[in-house]
Amino acid sequence: AQSVTQLDSQVPVFEEAPVELRCNYSSSVSVYLFWYVQYPNQGLQLLLKYLSGSTLVKGINGFEAEFNKSQTSFHLRKPSVHISDTAEYFCAVSPPSSGGYQKVTFGTGTKLQVIP
Amino acid sequence: NAGVMQNPRHLVRRRGQEARLRCSPMKGHSHVYWYRQLPEEGLKFMVYLQKENIIDESGMPKERFSAEFPKEGPSILRIQQVVRGDSAAYFCASLLRDSPTSGANVLTFGAGSRLTVL
Repeated sequence: AQSVTQLDSQVPVFEEAPVELRCNYSSSVSVYLFWYVQYPNQGLQLLLKYLSGSTLVKGINGFEAEFNKSQTSFHLRKPSVHISDTAEYFCAVSPPSSGGYQKVTFGTGTKLQVIP
Repeated sequence: NAGVMQNPRHLVRRRGQEARLRCSPMKGHSHVYWYRQLPEEGLKFMVYLQKENIIDESGMPKERFSAEFPKEGPSILRIQQVVRGDSAAYFCASLLRDSPTSGANVLTFGAGSRLTVL
């Protein structure tokens, strides 16, 4: 079984300040890790993913995340946030796929509020 | 969200009525996932379907909820005798191959259907 924990339900941050959104996972097997962003009244959009290889992953909109196997974490970071980054961010985990069915488990989300 | 089409985007029902939510996956895809998003609870997996088959329905409530994906037409998530607790956003997703070499798949979501039960 796999699970994802996002401890922070809301994170307020001033514009142009750095931000880190925390994600910890639990799994008995190796995993794929994802961050999705959801803007108000929209679906989820993939920000970035870790499948294998380099533990530092860069995504869209200037976000990056680092996979830390020993701490079972996949925290999302951005050095300078913009008003337009205000959204809800979801961390997700899945077991490696074999091309077929792949069950993806999501965290409860973190609402990032960027303050002007 | 491009390619995964959901309708209606917003649906209002009174308690006891039926709700039908439709999803057309990305072109050429014959699988869909349904997730439910309740306030403050994130996304919860409901069901995974192939054309004419339910592969995993471990997240579906035992009563009132059903899903199908017929040979022709969109996937349908059906909620009978809706209650206020069914008010949520329901998302459909396709699994998209990350790259020809990685072997990994990534969920691609529709814009969702937001059900409000009065």
